[in-house]
Amino acid sequence: NAGVTQTPKFQVLKTGQSMTLQCAQDMNHEYMSWYRQDPGMGLRLIHYSVGAGITDQGEVPNGYNVSRSTTEDFPLRLLSAAPSQTSVYFCASSEVGTGAYEQYFGPGTRLTVT
Amino acid sequence: GDSVTQMEGPVTLSEEAFLTINCTYTATGYPSLFWYVQYPGEGLQLLLKATKADDKGSNKGFEATYRKETTSFHLEKGSVQVSDSAVYFCALFNGANNLFFGTGTRLTVIP
Repeated sequence: NAGVTQTPKFQVLKTGQSMTLQCAQDMNHEYMSWYRQDPGMGLRLIHYSVGAGITDQGEVPNGYNVSRSTTEDFPLRLLSAAPSQTSVYFCASSEVGTGAYEQYFGPGTRLTVT
Repeated sequence: GDSVTQMEGPVTLSEEAFLTINCTYTATGYPSLFWYVQYPGEGLQLLLKATKADDKGSNKGFEATYRKETTSFHLEKGSVQVSDSAVYFCALFNGANNLFFGTGTRLTVIP
């Protein structure tokens, strides 16, 4: 089991560029989510999904899009990067039956927008 | 709304010292409470959990008791080791689909 994998580990973008952060899990978890981690603010939920074809917004969704075409993959798209999106991004997954709290986290993607 | 307030860090302790990291919460209903740990360069890992009042979660020598009367879930360990150096997050699950995290407390243990 690889668990939750994220690519890339590091990324530098210029303002206005777009990119997709990849997330995959091999545990057949229905629930997947994206968080951003900023100093002094803990983790904040961006988007989440309770199954293929179903997504919803979290606390800070603006500037990000997601889709869930398969159980395994949950990519996060930045349409037009802004310096305020400089952060560390974590993807997580869990079984829906556990109430989405026993989440397994990926190693993170550190994004810098200049 | 639901939220978690965590003790500000950073915390620096000598090896074998006693650790307490305070966590209080605000929630309607009966949330479940958690402590997650983030080691350097890694993602978060679930450390322990408690799903109802008076439950005690424990793992790797760490403990936390769900206190409804004081809305608290303080993390404790009797004797910390250098390998416990990490960032610790208190979190709340309110029965919907999301976890609410505290801001994290960085612990450094020196030999």
